Amino acid sequence: AQSVTQPDIHITVSEGASLELRCNYSYGATPYLFWYVQSPGQGLQLLLKYFSGDTLVQGIKGFEAEFKRSQSSFNLRKPSVHWSDAAEYFCAVGAQNDYKLSFGAGTTVTVRA
Amino acid sequence: NAGVTQTPKFRVLKTGQSMTLLCAQDMNHEYMYWYRQDPGMGLRLIHYSVGEGTTAKGEVPDGYNVSRLKKQNFLLGLESAAPSQTSVYFCASSETGRSNQPQHFGDGTRLSIL
Repeated sequence: AQSVTQPDIHITVSEGASLELRCNYSYGATPYLFWYVQSPGQGLQLLLKYFSGDTLVQGIKGFEAEFKRSQSSFNLRKPSVHWSDAAEYFCAVGAQNDYKLSFGAGTTVTVRA
Repeated sequence: NAGVTQTPKFRVLKTGQSMTLLCAQDMNHEYMYWYRQDPGMGLRLIHYSVGEGTTAKGEVPDGYNVSRLKKQNFLLGLESAAPSQTSVYFCASSETGRSNQPQHFGDGTRLSIL
């Protein structure tokens, strides 16, 4: 079964600074990988996804993520953070031919002025 | 676009009471899911449905029941609420059950059991 680890529970970043959120997965084959964002009081919104092909994927809101098979990682990045990026971010992994998504525990991002 | 709508948004129950959470989607999706979200644990799948009239257990099904009488609706029931069921509940739907299809989430139901 697949699993996901998000090593950072909470990250604080200054507005305008860069952001990187870590995600490590465990799965024997090529995984389907997702990043979701949850703003306070809201549901989860899909930021980006990776299935195959180019290992650098672009998402909404200026986010990107890079799939590194050798490191079993799918880290999320943003070059310049805005105050509205304060939220909780979830990495998720899916297996081929399976409905199930496994979510990480989430990383809370605080943006300071 | 409404997407996935959950009702109610908040609820406080006493131990032993029952209630039903409603999820409605207007995207004609086949698959629907109920998750619970607890601090430090991410989202855990309670039950899911692969189509109208079918349901199946997920990762943490105990204490919950579900029904999908209509394709657009997926109900989550608590027959006898317990404090351990205090959580935020999310409903999601996807076009198919293939995991490369993104799941679309509702805004959640915040449930407290006293």
